[in-house]
Amino acid sequence: DIQMTQSPPSLSASLGETISIECLASEGIYSNLAWYQQKPGKSPQLLIYGASSLQDGVPSRFSGSGSGTQFSLKISSMQPEDEADYFCQQSYKFPRTFGGGTKLELK
Amino acid sequence: QVQLKESGPGLVQPSQTLSLTCTVSGFSLTSYNVHWVRQPPGKGLEWMGRMRYNGDTSYNSALKSRLSISRDTSKNQVFLKMNSLQTDDTGTYYCTRDDYGWFAYWGQGTLVTVSS
Repeated sequence: DIQMTQSPPSLSASLGETISIECLASEGIYSNLAWYQQKPGKSPQLLIYGASSLQDGVPSRFSGSGSGTQFSLKISSMQPEDEADYFCQQSYKFPRTFGGGTKLELK
Repeated sequence: QVQLKESGPGLVQPSQTLSLTCTVSGFSLTSYNVHWVRQPPGKGLEWMGRMRYNGDTSYNSALKSRLSISRDTSKNQVFLKMNSLQTDDTGTYYCTRDDYGWFAYWGQGTLVTVSS
């Protein structure tokens, strides 16, 4: 199985701060990576697909980059509504696998 | 409008079988794959398996011996059955639609507690 390692596990950011979350795949997955945001008690919401394509309706402060084994999600200006858990997911091979998650809090 | 909705018992006794239903609307099960993903309380996401548009299935090898996914296209429903439940199977179970490998549409999730 492809292991997805996310870092950091938790992060605290100030309003307006730029943050990055990293996701490392145990083998190359080209650009077959998605990022999700999950708020407490809610289902995950797709933010980024194909490593860098922004899902419709997602604010432009979110961006994704990377290919192969190293990927990152950037939030360019932290907003209160961005407090959530974030997960990466590879879609290159089965079983589909997710990163362990990053908990983002507002400082 | 694409919608998915999970339903099933909230409480299952240890060693018993879990049966969940995912009812979809706004798209056809013969055109899209539907997956099941679960999440233990306070933890990450685990892919369980999928029902392909053509009726084929794929399973997580860690669950394969206990898991079965089926469907009724006339009712727009996908079913999950998992036997020999234990306490670590407690969590929220989601069905989600596969759009080119990623999951843009999710159900609200259904919490399953395994307890006597």
